[in-house]
Amino acid sequence: GAVVSQHPSWVICKSGTSVKIECRSLDFQATTMFWYRQFPKQSLMLMATSNEGSKATYEQGVEKDKFLINHASLTLSTLTVTSAHPEDSSFYICSAKAPTQETQYFGPGTRLLVL
Amino acid sequence: KQEVTQIPAALSVPEGENLVLNCSFTDSAIYNLQWFRQDPGKGLTSLLLIQSSQREQTSGRLNASLDKSSGRSTLYIAASQPGDSATYLCAVVENGSRLTFGEGTQLTVNP
Repeated sequence: GAVVSQHPSWVICKSGTSVKIECRSLDFQATTMFWYRQFPKQSLMLMATSNEGSKATYEQGVEKDKFLINHASLTLSTLTVTSAHPEDSSFYICSAKAPTQETQYFGPGTRLLVL
Repeated sequence: KQEVTQIPAALSVPEGENLVLNCSFTDSAIYNLQWFRQDPGKGLTSLLLIQSSQREQTSGRLNASLDKSSGRSTLYIAASQPGDSATYLCAVVENGSRLTFGEGTQLTVNP
C-alpha cells in the first residue's frame, strides 16, 4: 500500500519557539494532504486541508497564522507551529490522498511536547 | 454538523471471542465510511472502506456493515487475537475528502 512518512516523530521544544513538521508521500503523488491533531484519549480533529500549489483551507477555530501549512510539491506538505505554547502539545498526524483514489493514507504521527 | 459516535468506548475480551464494534453518525448524506486501527502512539491503518451504495465489506477476519439510512455501521471481528488489541476508529466522508472521526473503541484481547 501507499506509504506516508512524517518527520520528526518526536519533538520537544521550549515555549515560544517554532516547530516544523514534514509530511511526505513516498510512492505516490498527493494532490491533497490533510493535517490532524489528536489530544490524549480523544479522536483525530481535522485542522486543515492542503492542496498542492494553493492555500490551505483551515477548519473553524484553527488559527492559520499559528499553524502555517505549505504544500509546495506533490509529495511534501509542511506544518509549522509558530510560537508554540504548552497547550499546543499534541499528536499531529498527516494524511495524503492521490487524485484517483478515495482512501487517505496516514503518516505515523509526530508527538510535540512544548515545555 | 456531522457527529460520529462509537460504542463502547472500551472493550476487553478473552482471546477467540467474536466481537462487534458500533459506530453511528448523525447525517446520512455520506460519501463513504471507513474503519481504521490505531496502535498506541502510532498513526492510522486503514482496515475497510464502505461506499455509501454498499452494505458491507470483508477483509480476512473483519467484516464491516453499513446502514446508511439509519446512520449506523458495525465492525465485526471474528476469532479475536491479542494482536487485535488497539483502538478502532470509525470515520465518515462527506463532501470532498473530509473525514469526521468518532472517538474510537479501545479493544483489549486477553490471552
